[in-house]
Amino acid sequence: GAGVSQSPSNKVTEKGKDVELRCDPISGHTALYWYRQSLGQGLEFLIYFQGNSAPDKSGLPSDRFSAERTGGSVSTLTIQRTQQEDSAVYLCASSRGTGPRDTQYFGPGTRLTVL
Amino acid sequence: KQEVTQIPAALSVPEGENLVLNCSFTDSAIYNLQWFRQDPGKGLTSLLLIQSSQREQTSGRLNASLDKSSGRSTLYIAASQPGDSATYLCASYFGNEKLTFGTGTRLTIIP
Repeated sequence: GAGVSQSPSNKVTEKGKDVELRCDPISGHTALYWYRQSLGQGLEFLIYFQGNSAPDKSGLPSDRFSAERTGGSVSTLTIQRTQQEDSAVYLCASSRGTGPRDTQYFGPGTRLTVL
Repeated sequence: KQEVTQIPAALSVPEGENLVLNCSFTDSAIYNLQWFRQDPGKGLTSLLLIQSSQREQTSGRLNASLDKSSGRSTLYIAASQPGDSATYLCASYFGNEKLTFGTGTRLTIIP
């Protein structure tokens, strides 16, 4: 079946511009996560959505970052006034639930380069 | 703060050898531990998930173990193949709806 998809696969932008990254989770998965993977570093949690509950935004690095999830499905991560330190691979994951048996399935990521 | 550590950062072994990758975590109150594989330029592929009540999980040539008391997990790969070359990440789930990842071990299998 279809996995998690993300678009675009690559994005090059100029410092100060806004960018939007899209994630299509696996159909039926209620939980959706955004992570960031910077060069030489591990994966860093950004934000988490579960059903209709308020998202857990505890990992967002600054107020320039925001995310929404429409209709409990597609999610968009928006970065305003991009900075060079925002350059990273942004990974989206979804899972059926949030229990200890629920594996997170990851998309291929969006590689963001801020010039 | 929960921390997950993977040592070494890189490992090279000849094809055909068995090998072990290590993962340690600071908080023994984990719900589960997952091992992932990441190929260059790609996302993560889940390999094995061990629940806190389990000691090990097996899938093909892969075997993952979990020792909560010592804060350690290992991923054993039998009869390694060049196609096993990738970065292997372990991640702990502490019940706060987010995975805490290690920084990974980059594995190279030498033909």
